[in-house]
Amino acid sequence: SAVISQKPSRDICQRGTSLTIQCQVDSQVTMMFWYRQQPGQSLTLIATANQGSEATYESGFVIDKFPISRPNLTFSTLTVSNMSPEDSSIYLCSVEGGGTGELFFGEGSRLTVL
Amino acid sequence: TQLLEQSPQFLSIQEGENLTVYCNSSSVFSSLQWYRQEPGEGPVLLVTVVTGGEVKKLKRLTFQFGDARKDSSLHITAAQPGDTGLYLCAGEDERGAQKLVFGQGTRLTINP
Repeated sequence: SAVISQKPSRDICQRGTSLTIQCQVDSQVTMMFWYRQQPGQSLTLIATANQGSEATYESGFVIDKFPISRPNLTFSTLTVSNMSPEDSSIYLCSVEGGGTGELFFGEGSRLTVL
Repeated sequence: TQLLEQSPQFLSIQEGENLTVYCNSSSVFSSLQWYRQEPGEGPVLLVTVVTGGEVKKLKRLTFQFGDARKDSSLHITAAQPGDTGLYLCAGEDERGAQKLVFGQGTRLTINP
């Protein structure tokens, strides 16, 4: 298993500003995944972050809007840029464990954009 | 694009009742996972089913993977208020894309 800590756990932001979410894992992992969970919805993968290379973004998500850093094997950040109310969501960091595709998640960062 | 459809999306029942949640797709998955998410928390893995026809039990929860590995079900016997939460099924691509496809989720409320 893996223990994942996210910061902040929640924030209220103004339209047009940017916020960076941090994700710390208690062990070294190759891939880290960033998901978005809009209110009352399921999880949508934003991007996969690999250490030492550019993040791989899913359809509908772009680097300019969601820049990701992955400076080492235990840490990643996701920035939500130029926020609008539509970006109000829970953002979740996750890592794969057990070699069977199972995911461990952080507690999430609940973002409200006014 | 692979899709997983969960039903029902919302379910509110009384303590002690039984229920079944379904997760269906037209695609084949190499494995199917079930997660439970409580408010303010990230999803937590309950079980992974890998073999077609596989049945796994976790106390009062019974998980089944369809023979063709396209669908799964979660059955809860004698539901308790502690079972309340968002249940998510997630399928792993058979081609090994290492990306999970999540269903829309079933929001379950067990009333005392």
